[in-house]
Amino acid sequence: EDQVTQSPEALRLQEGESSSLNCSYTVSGLRGLFWYRQDPGKGPEFLFTLYSAGEEKEKERLKATLTKKESFLHITAPKPEDSATYLCAVQAMTNNAGNMLTFGGGTRLMVKP
Amino acid sequence: NAGVTQTPKFQVLKTGQSMTLQCAQDMNHEYMSWYRQDPGMGLRLIHYSVGAGITDQGEVPNGYNVSRSTTEDFPLRLLSAAPSQTSVYFCASSYVTNTEAFFGQGTRLTVV
Repeated sequence: EDQVTQSPEALRLQEGESSSLNCSYTVSGLRGLFWYRQDPGKGPEFLFTLYSAGEEKEKERLKATLTKKESFLHITAPKPEDSATYLCAVQAMTNNAGNMLTFGGGTRLMVKP
Repeated sequence: NAGVTQTPKFQVLKTGQSMTLQCAQDMNHEYMSWYRQDPGMGLRLIHYSVGAGITDQGEVPNGYNVSRSTTEDFPLRLLSAAPSQTSVYFCASSYVTNTEAFFGQGTRLTVV
């Protein structure tokens, strides 16, 4: 069974204080690992897709990395507008359920000015 | 470009009532799916479709029905609402497998 665990559940940062969010996963052959941002009352918004170990992707203050067992979302010099819940999801090679994603519980990030 | 549109945004039902949650996408995506989001449980797949006329069950399908008569629309039906179905429901679509899914704004459903 595919599993995704995110840590920490909540993270409070001061503006400018860099940190990392962790996503540990077990999957029967990784087809893709996805990072989403979710604001309160909104649907998840796509950030990155990573396909193989060693891959990295960047977008503004965010950088996602991938190993065979986990992914990290690094946040450099965060701003209050980066406050949101960050979701990690995996899709398995053996998954025939269309584009089924297995999600972690999310990390709620709060950045104080 | 509207993306994925869900209606209604909020709904309160009494136990035993039925209703349909609407989902429409204008991106010509083949893949569509329904998830529910509960505190501490993450997002869980209810039903999905890989194209018009094709649907299948996800992780938590009991109590829900779907149909896909067109590429654009993928409604979710609650047959007889139960308090355990109180949740936030998200519809998602994607072009093909292995690509990012686009989510709607969600429907917050309360069953009393």
